[in-house]
Amino acid sequence: SQKIEQNSEALNIQEGKTATLTCNYTNYSPAYLQWYRQDPGRGPVFLLLIRENEKEKRKERLKVTFDTTLKQSLFHITASQPADSATYLCALTSSNTGKLIFGQGTTLQVKP
Amino acid sequence: NAGVTQTPKFQVLKTGQSMTLQCAQDMNHEYMSWYRQDPGMGLRLIHYSVGAGITDQGEVPNGYNVSRSTTEDFPLRLLSAAPSQTSVYFCASSYGVHSGRDSPLHFGNGTRLTVT
Repeated sequence: SQKIEQNSEALNIQEGKTATLTCNYTNYSPAYLQWYRQDPGRGPVFLLLIRENEKEKRKERLKVTFDTTLKQSLFHITASQPADSATYLCALTSSNTGKLIFGQGTTLQVKP
Repeated sequence: NAGVTQTPKFQVLKTGQSMTLQCAQDMNHEYMSWYRQDPGMGLRLIHYSVGAGITDQGEVPNGYNVSRSTTEDFPLRLLSAAPSQTSVYFCASSYGVHSGRDSPLHFGNGTRLTVT
């Protein structure tokens, strides 16, 4: 069956370190993969989109990689800050259906 | 720009009652959609629309109706609420008619619905 998996356990890191979040998928052939940030009581906010033919995308302190062989995307936040604490969702567009499918999200806690 | 506006923020219903969740966007987006978010399940697509007068089903459409009479509005109707519909509902829109391609989704801040 088709699955998108993000680590359900919260990730706790110290301020200033690099946070790395993982998104694995099975039985999809995604054309695009996106990352969103969600704060408690709020809707998700778009961060980055990466296409299947792109290996890496950067935006300020954020970096996303996309490995279609490993079927995995990594989301990095460098020089993390307590304000980066949130839940991060990955989402992929299936090239078969064209629909956007979300993972469950990973909660990041950055301690000062 | 208000973006995507959802009302109400909170709602409690009894089993069998009906209600409409409102969603409006002021970005002239063609694509609009409804998701529900449950613990451990991620966001699941209920219904979507690629333009006024056009709607289609998503992953979990049963128990919900939608219509799209204008570009701006996309209400979600629960005809006979059930406890299984207790969830947080998000409306989202995007510029392109294919969500997730070059057009990221813009989300509202959700409606928290409890059905007793």
